[in-house]
Amino acid sequence: EAGVAQSPRYKIIEKRQSVAFWCNPISGHATLYWYQQILGQGPKLLIQFQNNGVVDDSQLPKDRFSAERLKGVDSTLKIQPAKLEDSAVYLCASSPRAPQQADTQYFGPGTRLTVL
Amino acid sequence: AQSVTQLGSHVSVSEGALVLLRCNYSSSVPPYLFWYVQYPNQGLQLLLKYTSAATLVKGINGFEAEFKKSETSFHLTKPSAHMSDAAEYFCAVEGGNKLTFGTGTQLKVEL
Repeated sequence: EAGVAQSPRYKIIEKRQSVAFWCNPISGHATLYWYQQILGQGPKLLIQFQNNGVVDDSQLPKDRFSAERLKGVDSTLKIQPAKLEDSAVYLCASSPRAPQQADTQYFGPGTRLTVL
Repeated sequence: AQSVTQLGSHVSVSEGALVLLRCNYSSSVPPYLFWYVQYPNQGLQLLLKYTSAATLVKGINGFEAEFKKSETSFHLTKPSAHMSDAAEYFCAVEGGNKLTFGTGTQLKVEL
């Protein structure tokens, strides 16, 4: 079974530029998550989708971050404009069912973003 | 709100020695608790999870964790460390179908 795919793996941009990350979850997984992992910290949830609907985006900085999951399959996370503090690894994860307690999340390898 | 605290950002053990990674949680309701491992340049992988069944949970790669309500702890252990165990380990607590992660513990295994 193929795992969660993410691209690109690395991205370097100047501040105020825009950037987009792509995630393809495990086939058939209903729930998709985007996390931000700053160096030295644990992952922090940015947004959670169930199929193509947003379940939770309370920690997404909506003035600069946006995400979509068209057709309930793959997803794109965008930052526009980027700030220095956005430098982090962006992790995508998926789980098989609608959000429920103690469900296992499967993580992709992440995209490492450096903002100069 | 739920939270976890991982004591020790770096732990170093000798190969063959006991591994003990500490995690304390804070939760207003009976918690669901997780340990994930992250190898360099890879995503997180589930080691084990506590879902209020048995208090001693066995996971992959010989790891286990014991839920102790009186101590609000969920420490991760392995009897004998292997070089391949070198990685970063994250404890997490679930609340509202969301995971809140600790800051991680980097495990180093020395010959």
